[in-house]
Amino acid sequence: SYELTQPPSVSVSPGQTANITCSGDKLENKYTSWYQQKPGQSPVLVVYQDRKRPSGIPDRFSGSNSGNTATLTISETQAMDDAAYYCLTWDNSAGVFGGGTKLTVL
Amino acid sequence: QVTLRESGPALVKPTQTLTLTCTFSGFSLSTSGMSVAWIRQPPGKALEWLALIDWDGDSYYTTSLQTRVTISRDTSKNQVVLTMTNVDPVDTATYWCARIVGTPWDYGMDVWGLGTTVTVSS
Repeated sequence: SYELTQPPSVSVSPGQTANITCSGDKLENKYTSWYQQKPGQSPVLVVYQDRKRPSGIPDRFSGSNSGNTATLTISETQAMDDAAYYCLTWDNSAGVFGGGTKLTVL
Repeated sequence: QVTLRESGPALVKPTQTLTLTCTFSGFSLSTSGMSVAWIRQPPGKALEWLALIDWDGDSYYTTSLQTRVTISRDTSKNQVVLTMTNVDPVDTATYWCARIVGTPWDYGMDVWGLGTTVTVSS
């Protein structure tokens, strides 16, 4: 079965840029979306189709997908970005989530 | 305004069948391009995609659970139902339903419900 691999944790200082990666076989041939989840809350879509942002998502959030790796980039990171982030892609008409990355803003 | 709300039992015994209902408003599952998916998250663990049903009534399942899970819809009631047979304590999780607009594998799940917590225990 298809697997997506994310680093368990990433740390960043406020105002700096955070990069969260998601790796899978030939991932560039699939669309990837990204979800932000804060403790006790439902996930929120922050990027879809690799690089598009839903309305209401700050332009500090951006995405890319090349080769075997999709990347979520958060520029000018703020304390409110402290959360878990999950990538999602589709394989054989089924969704597959990555294991999640805890972003700590400190 | 698009909303989804999950409902179902909070406690289920092992080997029983779990039935969860997603009641939504603000869109129609009969409209071309609309889909509803189910996702779960065991305590302290990652999200897991479970199943999806689209505007055409076609359903899709995660391979690991496809023998135990069934997704169905009632378009007249604006509801999507997830049924899971022979539950086990490892099925203890928060379960969400979420909407997708467009081809599922091209777009993201843009609106989620608040989730419902299910505990499997004797």
